[in-house]
Amino acid sequence: EVQLVESGGGLVKPGGSLRLSCAASGFTFSSYSMNWVRQAPGKGLEWVSSISYSSTYIYYADSVKGRFTISRDSAKNSLYLQMNSLRAEDTAVYYCARDLASVAGYFDYWGQGTLVTVSS
Amino acid sequence: DIQMTQSPSSVSASVGDRVTITCRASQGISSWLAWYQQKPGKAPKLLIYAASSLQSGVPSRFSGSGSGTDFTLTISSLQPEDFATYYCQQVNSFSYTFGQGTKLEIK
Repeated sequence: EVQLVESGGGLVKPGGSLRLSCAASGFTFSSYSMNWVRQAPGKGLEWVSSISYSSTYIYYADSVKGRFTISRDSAKNSLYLQMNSLRAEDTAVYYCARDLASVAGYFDYWGQGTLVTVSS
Repeated sequence: DIQMTQSPSSVSASVGDRVTITCRASQGISSWLAWYQQKPGKAPKLLIYAASSLQSGVPSRFSGSGSGTDFTLTISSLQPEDFATYYCQQVNSFSYTFGQGTKLEIK
């Protein structure tokens, strides 16, 4: 069974940093591109970042470019999101999501999400 | 960035009704479109990809159509478990963008 479990969320002050993790199991992690998607409270979905299976290709939304860094560790079957210079508007539930096999951009499995709150 | 606009923003319907949700892209995206269902407090679920391909395990009452800039999600006969919020998503180009969502409520 495919499972994605996020962790690392919490309360952080504006300007602070946080590192999210996503532990993957039930599939060959090294064969899939992975993504982060966020959802502000009561709002819609916003794609944040994507990383290809080999980490060769990495993409970011303009809203986080230069502040967030996506990475992965296939030995640990884990996906990460390093978030720096956090702002109030980064407050959201952050989901990790797997790409549908060989078809980039369609997210077929999602984690349960981890809440990040940026507030003083 | 490509903007995705869904209509309506909310719709009320009854069990057994046929419901159609539309999604319009600000520029042509061929068939690079997905539909997701999200229930309160839960992660989204992929329903349709490539505009009309049904994701494995999704009931056949869900269908998608369209290409270019105009797309539709149709639920042929609403079931109680279908009341949720639905999002379209374009994957034609980074950055991927979602529509604002359509909330399907019980009449």
